[in-house]
Amino acid sequence: TQLLEQSPQFLSIQEGENLTVYCNSSSVFSSLQWYRQEPGEGPVLLVTVVTGGEVKKLKRLTFQFGDARKDSSLHITAAQPGDTGLYLCAGHTGTASKLTFGTGTRLQVTL
Amino acid sequence: GAVVSQHPSRVICKSGTSVKIECRSLDFQATTMFWYRQFPKQSLMLMATSNEGSKATYEQGVEKDKFLINHASLTLSTLTVTSAHPEDSSFYICSAGPVREKLFFGSGTQLSVL
Repeated sequence: TQLLEQSPQFLSIQEGENLTVYCNSSSVFSSLQWYRQEPGEGPVLLVTVVTGGEVKKLKRLTFQFGDARKDSSLHITAAQPGDTGLYLCAGHTGTASKLTFGTGTRLQVTL
Repeated sequence: GAVVSQHPSRVICKSGTSVKIECRSLDFQATTMFWYRQFPKQSLMLMATSNEGSKATYEQGVEKDKFLINHASLTLSTLTVTSAHPEDSSFYICSAGPVREKLFFGSGTQLSVL
């Protein structure tokens, strides 16, 4: 079983702070995705990283794929209350479209 | 973008009854759909892979007789929770694709078994 461990599990910060969420595995993934999920809804895709060492930016969010394609990070700059949600990384192993989801990081941003 | 519709969004049923959840791809054909289960404040756990026209592939530990999956067309997969019990209460989510290498998720179904 391929495991994707996310850290921290829970993060409560104030508006304007920066944060980093980590996603680690002992397995190699052909690609890795980050999702954000709000209560009672399905996850929404934020980004897909494919190449080892790849860095992608989405406004205040910066995503990095590890050189060995086993880990990834999500950095949020100047967090806002609208960033609150469950952040999930998910890895593709190249088998069809099967995704393995990480353990999740619950982010709460307060005013 | 591709849209996946999941119904119902919420269902409450008595213990021992069966519940059917539908997952439809509205503007694309999905040969493969996936069913996930999510407990409160936890991540998504893949239950099974639904393949159009063939039997579903279940993940280890998931009872195939308990969670019946039917993928009779390229736009519809159904998950039936048979003889539901309170421990089956959970948030169930489907996904379909890939479309341009992306999976698209339904909005989920909150099942509560009394």
